[in-house]
Amino acid sequence: DGGITQSPKYLFRKEGQNVTLSCEQNLNHDAMYWYRQDPGQGLRLIYYSQIVNDFQKGDIAEGYSVSREKKESFPLTVTSAQKNPTAFYLCASSIYARSSYEQYFGPGTRLTVT
Amino acid sequence: AQSVTQLDSQVPVFEEAPVELRCNYSSSVSVYLFWYVQYPNQGLQLLLKYLSGSTLVKGINGFEAEFNKSQTSFHLRKPSVHISDTAEYFCAVTVADSNYQLIWGAGTKLIIKP
Repeated sequence: DGGITQSPKYLFRKEGQNVTLSCEQNLNHDAMYWYRQDPGQGLRLIYYSQIVNDFQKGDIAEGYSVSREKKESFPLTVTSAQKNPTAFYLCASSIYARSSYEQYFGPGTRLTVT
Repeated sequence: AQSVTQLDSQVPVFEEAPVELRCNYSSSVSVYLFWYVQYPNQGLQLLLKYLSGSTLVKGINGFEAEFNKSQTSFHLRKPSVHISDTAEYFCAVTVADSNYQLIWGAGTKLIIKP
């Protein structure tokens, strides 16, 4: 079955540690996205990538980094510079980055930093 | 800048009753509009989208939405809800035929009362 995999589902880290969230898709989509979801705030775009080896900052990129070395993979690193990293993180993909195309979402990773 | 307002953070409704979830957007350009659904602790799934053509859009699970350009609204409706419709619903907008990213509403939790 085609889809998006995010692992792990739950992640716990101590403050000051970097942590990398995995996102893999087998849909052959060009575009991939990372969102952060906090209660009552909807989704906020962290980074997106339209094609391999290229990515752009979203609205809240500070304290995060990404790479896109393979079409299928778009890992997100939450660095120690992110002031409030505890949140639900969603990865998505679409055939292309054009606005008419549906985004497909993974099941999410809930990150807790203490 | 574009924005999306979902007027109700929660909507409680009895099972088998009709429901309307409201969404208004602010834009002076042509837009594409989307409704996504998120079941508890899961990713998002597309319910329906408006790109062009008929202003009444039908989606999955018996939902429909009507695009009203003069009122800049895209309200979601279902004539008879079921307990399985319990979820959070997100409205999103983007500039038509562009590489612009989605702007998300804050979400509306649909609570079905037995």
